[in-house]
Amino acid sequence: EAAVTQSPRNKVAVTGGKVTLSCNQTNNHNNMYWYRQDTGHGLRLIHYSYGAGSTEKGDIPDGYKASRPSQENFSLILELATPSQTSVYFCASGDALGEDTQYFGPGTRLLVL
Amino acid sequence: GQQVQQSPASLVLQEGENAELQCNFSSTATQLQWFYQSPGGSLVSLLSNPSGTKHTGRLTSTTVTKERRSSLHISSSQTTDSGTYLCAIVPNSGTYQRFGTGTKLQVVP
Repeated sequence: EAAVTQSPRNKVAVTGGKVTLSCNQTNNHNNMYWYRQDTGHGLRLIHYSYGAGSTEKGDIPDGYKASRPSQENFSLILELATPSQTSVYFCASGDALGEDTQYFGPGTRLLVL
Repeated sequence: GQQVQQSPASLVLQEGENAELQCNFSSTATQLQWFYQSPGGSLVSLLSNPSGTKHTGRLTSTTVTKERRSSLHISSSQTTDSGTYLCAIVPNSGTYQRFGTGTKLQVVP
């Protein structure tokens, strides 16, 4: 069973602050993804990665950066958090871009005040 | 606009009844997957079905690629089937999945 973990699970941040969401996967998957989930929008892709050192923009990358320092770790960075970034964030990993079964982490609830 | 549309938005069934969930998409797709999201929020892949019919357990998915639609049939529903069912496609012109907003299913005893 694929294992994807996220930290923190819950986060309260202030407007203008920096937030880093971390994701770790232990299955040696090449591809990793960051989504946000909001009522009425479903899951939307923010950034994704083909492997260590690569990051690509998804559908809604504005206001977010990503970092893939290793095969196992993929971070999402909000340099200047805004209330509109309040959401639930999911990380996922998989073997082949777009064609694989994705394994999701448990999600991070972020509240930006 | 939304590339993937799911219907109904919500559904309430008595235990033992069958459910039929629909997914329509606006562009041709190379891949189509159905996911389940539990009431607690965890997400798992149910099955991948870019075309034709696929069965797994009590689930049957039928995808008609030319008509840009897929269905997920849940037979003999159980209370543990309650949750949100998400459809996702990889468009022919794209490289990653787009998700629908889901169908929220509630199965009551």
